[in-house]
Amino acid sequence: DGGITQSPKYLFRKEGQNVTLSCEQNLNHDAMYWYRQDPGQGLRLIYYSQIVNDFQKGDIAEGYSVSREKKESFPLTVTSAQKNPTAFYLCASSIVGVGTEAFFGQGTRLTVV
Amino acid sequence: DAKTTQPPSMDCAEGRAANLPCNHSTISGNEYVYWYRQIHSQGPQYIIHGLKNNETNEMASLIITEDRKSSTLILPHATLRDTAVYYCIVRVGITGTASKLTFGTGTRLQVTL
Repeated sequence: DGGITQSPKYLFRKEGQNVTLSCEQNLNHDAMYWYRQDPGQGLRLIYYSQIVNDFQKGDIAEGYSVSREKKESFPLTVTSAQKNPTAFYLCASSIVGVGTEAFFGQGTRLTVV
Repeated sequence: DAKTTQPPSMDCAEGRAANLPCNHSTISGNEYVYWYRQIHSQGPQYIIHGLKNNETNEMASLIITEDRKSSTLILPHATLRDTAVYYCIVRVGITGTASKLTFGTGTRLQVTL
């Protein structure tokens, strides 16, 4: 099946630890994205990448880092510098072009204790 | 990207049409209207998008007013499985750019028996 896979679905970490969230897609999409969602809120863009080895900051990039070494993969690291890391994290991918839609994974719920 | 305004919540009886409005009065000529929905604790699901003309697919219809300042998403025969938060998003379509989406808080549609 073609799609976007995020793992794990639930993740628990101690405060002060870095944690990496996985996102893999087999849709042959050039663009990939990371969003954060807090309870009762819409999604906010953290980082996005239009091509391998290139990525751009979104609206709330502080405390996060990404890499794009392969077209299929766009891992997100939540660093200890992120003050409120507990949230629902969503990865998406799309074709780069006019009027194209983005497809989302099922998300990773990160809880930092 | 233009801002959108949606009612925070709506109810619909099962089997009836659900009409979800969206106001985007500051939309510009090259901005598309997208609709996504998010069922609790899942990733957003793409529904439909359009630029000027009305659009229909197997999930829904999108009606865009002639002046493009508002639109309506129509679910023709709502079922309990359509209970979700529906997001209306306006985004510039530029060749060669990623589909960065700005999510508001959406409309929570509750379908009842």
